[in-house]
Amino acid sequence: GNSVTQMEGPVTLSEEAFLTINCTYTATGYPSLFWYVQYPGEGLQLLLKATKADDKGSNKGFEATYRKETTSFHLEKGSVQVSDSAVYFCALATGTASKLTFGTGTRLQVTL
Amino acid sequence: DGGITQSPKYLFRKEGQNVTLSCEQNLNHDAMYWYRQDPGQGLRLIYYSQIVNDFQKGDIAEGYSVSREKKESFPLTVTSAQKNPTAFYLCASSILAGSSTDTQYFGPGTRLTVL
Repeated sequence: GNSVTQMEGPVTLSEEAFLTINCTYTATGYPSLFWYVQYPGEGLQLLLKATKADDKGSNKGFEATYRKETTSFHLEKGSVQVSDSAVYFCALATGTASKLTFGTGTRLQVTL
Repeated sequence: DGGITQSPKYLFRKEGQNVTLSCEQNLNHDAMYWYRQDPGQGLRLIYYSQIVNDFQKGDIAEGYSVSREKKESFPLTVTSAQKNPTAFYLCASSILAGSSTDTQYFGPGTRLTVL
């Protein structure tokens, strides 16, 4: 079956630090990969996605590259801000039903 | 503004009572989904629907029921058979039914607490 593994949090960084959140996956077929972000008490928002190998998704300074050879989709940002504090979820979808399989989420806390 | 609305934001019920959570979308999306989120865990799929009057069980459907009588509405009923119903419930929709590349858009969620 499909599964997504994320690094455990919380991740605590100072403002302007470099961020990496690791995500690896196991999937049948060729999945699409997603990063969603959840701010406290809210629903999820799509941050970025990639639908085929070597694609790079990017948004709001965040980037992730679909690496088929390492089955990874690590999230990076060069300089985090306090407003980036949230929970980040890696997810994948395969097949024709577009059902998402989520990782357990990684909480990011950015301090001044 | 287009989007997904869920109501209410907070819901309290006594043990043994059925409760229905509302989900409405005005995005003209074909597919709709219900997820459950527990603290420190990812989201788990309860039910999904790709077309009106049709729906399929997700990974944790036991104790839940849904209906899809209209394209824009996908209510979820948490029945008394659900052993541990206290959780954060999220509804989502996507424009295309049957495409793994399509993006799911989420509502703000309903936090259900069973006393």
